Amino acid sequence: GAGVSQTPSNKVTEKGKYVELRCDPISGHTALYWYRQSLGQGPEFLIYFQGTGAADDSGLPNDRFFAVRPEGSVSTLKIQRTERGDSAVYLCASSPAGGDTGELFFGEGSRLTVL
Amino acid sequence: AQSVAQPEDQVNVAEGNPLTVKCTYSVSGNPYLFWYVQYPNRGLQFLLKYITGDNLVKGSYGFEAEFNKSQTSFHLKKPSALVSDSALYFCAVRDVWTGYSTLTFGKGTMLLVSP
Repeated sequence: GAGVSQTPSNKVTEKGKYVELRCDPISGHTALYWYRQSLGQGPEFLIYFQGTGAADDSGLPNDRFFAVRPEGSVSTLKIQRTERGDSAVYLCASSPAGGDTGELFFGEGSRLTVL
Repeated sequence: AQSVAQPEDQVNVAEGNPLTVKCTYSVSGNPYLFWYVQYPNRGLQFLLKYITGDNLVKGSYGFEAEFNKSQTSFHLKKPSALVSDSALYFCAVRDVWTGYSTLTFGKGTMLLVSP
């Protein structure tokens, strides 16, 4: 597609459940980022992929969060044993390369609600 | 570490008047600076960036921003506001020298333009 696509757009789950969020970046973009945006806050960095590898995962809050990008395009963010505090909008962004001068292209986000 | 401060939660301006949305940053080295806009239920959209060169940069929708190194600021401006400019605005920074390749965002400023 023309832009970054994220699915699902909305996900409601119960505390303790497992959740997967998918990101399909712009074709040809090698860099992919996951951010989390809580209500009233700016996007908070989670993880950055350059190709298939995670170049920087320093933003993942704990070991319940994991992300993969096995073929260097689509990425999945996985959250185990969800907690109410995980409720947020999860944003995915891509860019042509990991270069510092390029802007990021964001998807519309996946809104996660943990009951 | 890199950080961004947006001191105003909300800015109110009448249509046709000039607007300013404030941003200050902190980095170890030289900054790359960005402004993004977020409309309701939409992804973040790139507005403009400062990489190097002229301190006044122009971007989409008539917006511009001025980089001031001595004040570590990158305020967003527009000479004449439109009601359609009402949205949430985020300032973001990358630190060039440390090689930190991810963007750090401020918490956002809501711009409300009244008719």
